[in-house]
Amino acid sequence: NAGVTQTPKFQVLKTGQSMTLQCAQDMNHEYMSWYRQDPGMGLRLIHYSVGAGITDQGEVPNGYNVSRSTTEDFPLRLLSAAPSQTSVYFCASSYSEGVSGLNTEAFFGQGTRLTVV
Amino acid sequence: AQKVTQAQTEISVVEKEDVTLDCVYETRDTTYYLFWYKQPPSGELVFLIRRNSFDEQNEISGRYSWNFQKSTSSFNFTITASQVVDSAVYFCALRSGNTGKLIFGQGTTLQVKP
Repeated sequence: NAGVTQTPKFQVLKTGQSMTLQCAQDMNHEYMSWYRQDPGMGLRLIHYSVGAGITDQGEVPNGYNVSRSTTEDFPLRLLSAAPSQTSVYFCASSYSEGVSGLNTEAFFGQGTRLTVV
Repeated sequence: AQKVTQAQTEISVVEKEDVTLDCVYETRDTTYYLFWYKQPPSGELVFLIRRNSFDEQNEISGRYSWNFQKSTSSFNFTITASQVVDSAVYFCALRSGNTGKLIFGQGTTLQVKP
């Protein structure tokens, strides 16, 4: 199993450009989420999804869109890149265990380092 | 509101010292999960432990141990006999409900010197 795969690993954008960060998981996990990591601020939730067709905003959603058309994929779209979106982006997935419904830990991708100039 | 606080921004120790990383959380939910992740210099996030709110047993895994105390809303992490390979950023995180969302602390950078 590949786990959670993020592409690209590195990206440089010019201000105003748009792009999509890809995230795919092959573990059939129902929960997926996107985080950004900035120095001294930990990881902050951008958007999340509890299943195909269902998405919701996290703590810092402005400037980002998501969709979840399949269980496997959860792309993050930057509509018009700004220097404030320079960050490391992580995608994660998890699931609920059996009858107990207990949440598992989040499985993270390797991250995408984005620089907006 | 849900919040995780890791008050220690940076810790520096000499190899073989014991070190404790503090984590204090806030939530009004009765069912929640707590996690610790390690982020080595290579950048990936490595899962270390998960704790459910109804399981207050402390846990030991090799040189690592965790102390979960609901009375003080703390979930502290101790590394015994630290090694240089333990140098990393450590994150404590909270999840409430079945949404997959995590609330992270700011992280503690641990430097272990030889």
